[in-house]
Amino acid sequence: DIVLTQSPALAVSLGQRATISCRASQSVSISRYNLMHWYQQKPGQQPKLLIYRASNLASGIPARFSGSGSGTDFTLTINPVQADDIATYYCQQSRESPHTFGAGTKLELK
Amino acid sequence: EIQLQESGPGLVKPSQSLSLTCSVTGYTITSGYDWSWIRKFPGNKMEWMGYISYSGSTNYNPSLKSRISITRDTSKNQFFLQLNSVTTEDTATYYCARSIPSDYWGQGVMVTVSS
Repeated sequence: DIVLTQSPALAVSLGQRATISCRASQSVSISRYNLMHWYQQKPGQQPKLLIYRASNLASGIPARFSGSGSGTDFTLTINPVQADDIATYYCQQSRESPHTFGAGTKLELK
Repeated sequence: EIQLQESGPGLVKPSQSLSLTCSVTGYTITSGYDWSWIRKFPGNKMEWMGYISYSGSTNYNPSLKSRISITRDTSKNQFFLQLNSVTTEDTATYYCARSIPSDYWGQGVMVTVSS
């Protein structure tokens, strides 16, 4: 299985930039497609798709969210961070089955 | 508007089977996409369990392969999860979702495995 590694937590101040990383144990890219996706989950809610295929903003997601990366290293950036962004963020790969998730990064206020 | 809704018992005894239903509205499950089951354990670990495609083929997480079955009722636009021989380690919130990446999710149903 492809293992996705995320830092457990990140503390950030409102209005600042948050950078959340996800490292895969092997490449999740095929040709020009980077098969890494990002979700946001708040307590008591279902996950919400933020970014698909590494850098594509999902429908209805604010432009302060962005994604980048290829191969094994991927980043979700939130800039500027707003109070509503306090949540846990997960990466997921669809390069191969099983479609594994990272352990999640909890975004906290500094 | 596309909506997914999970339903099923919130408590299952060890060694029994867990059965959940995902009811889909706003989209016909035979029109396209894969339809997944995903679970989140206490402590926040997420696990993709498997999916049934719009054509009816299935793909399961090998870690569950001997215990899991995903089926569907196209007349009701529903798909189902059955997980056999459950243990306390199957206690989780279970979600159904469309596609991978998953753009639509159900609200989730918490299932506790306990005697």
